[in-house]
Amino acid sequence: ETGVTQTPRHLVMGMTNKKSLKCEQHLGHNAMYWYKQSAKKPLELMFVYSLEERVENNSVPSRFSPECPNSSHLFLHLHTLQPEDSALYLCASSQDFPRGGFFSGANVLTFGAGSRLTVL
Amino acid sequence: GENVEQHPSTLSVQEGDSAVIKCTYSDSASNYFPWYKQELGKGPQLIIDIRSNVGEKKDQRIAVTLNKTAKHFSLHITETQPEDSAVYFCAADGGESGGYNKLIFGAGTRLAVHP
Repeated sequence: ETGVTQTPRHLVMGMTNKKSLKCEQHLGHNAMYWYKQSAKKPLELMFVYSLEERVENNSVPSRFSPECPNSSHLFLHLHTLQPEDSALYLCASSQDFPRGGFFSGANVLTFGAGSRLTVL
Repeated sequence: GENVEQHPSTLSVQEGDSAVIKCTYSDSASNYFPWYKQELGKGPQLIIDIRSNVGEKKDQRIAVTLNKTAKHFSLHITETQPEDSAVYFCAADGGESGGYNKLIFGAGTRLAVHP
């Protein structure tokens, strides 16, 4: 395990279902991220939380709703998804969120293994 | 915004050969370029990174080169081994157009090392 745990590892849901993805990190990191990974496409940043405050929201449809109750936990709530939302959803964390235009060792991303989502 | 293109999308080599993966970026202000390795069933893991004030960096069998003028950077793996088989992603910070605090990823290269 990399220190970032994602559950469930696999999820199949219908378009009218409501489900949630969970991410937990025990690394003492202050920033957490959701990425979407689709086949043969670049990783897409969805949301970023720094110290439990959302700092990035990359034009993600409202059917995806993130929640960060504390610095160790991150959720992605899913509602009325479309088949094209089927993908691997990766959670990541870093010691700190990069600020001031400079990536340091504290900004290195540690990824979880992902949650494979299939929308029927 | 920043755009990162990665080639090739798939690469097959014999064990012991070298492998090279190339990426180009569009924003000349980008200054941080990491490489991630994703093994089957796992999340991506940082293997090496380089900053714009450095032209080359090595770590054992892995090296990364950066050409700021041409806006491209490459990953070189020497003496490949079967355990090098994975998907490799390059990335660049977003620069002035995409935001320095964001990483823009390439689409990935699937490397297969055959014994």
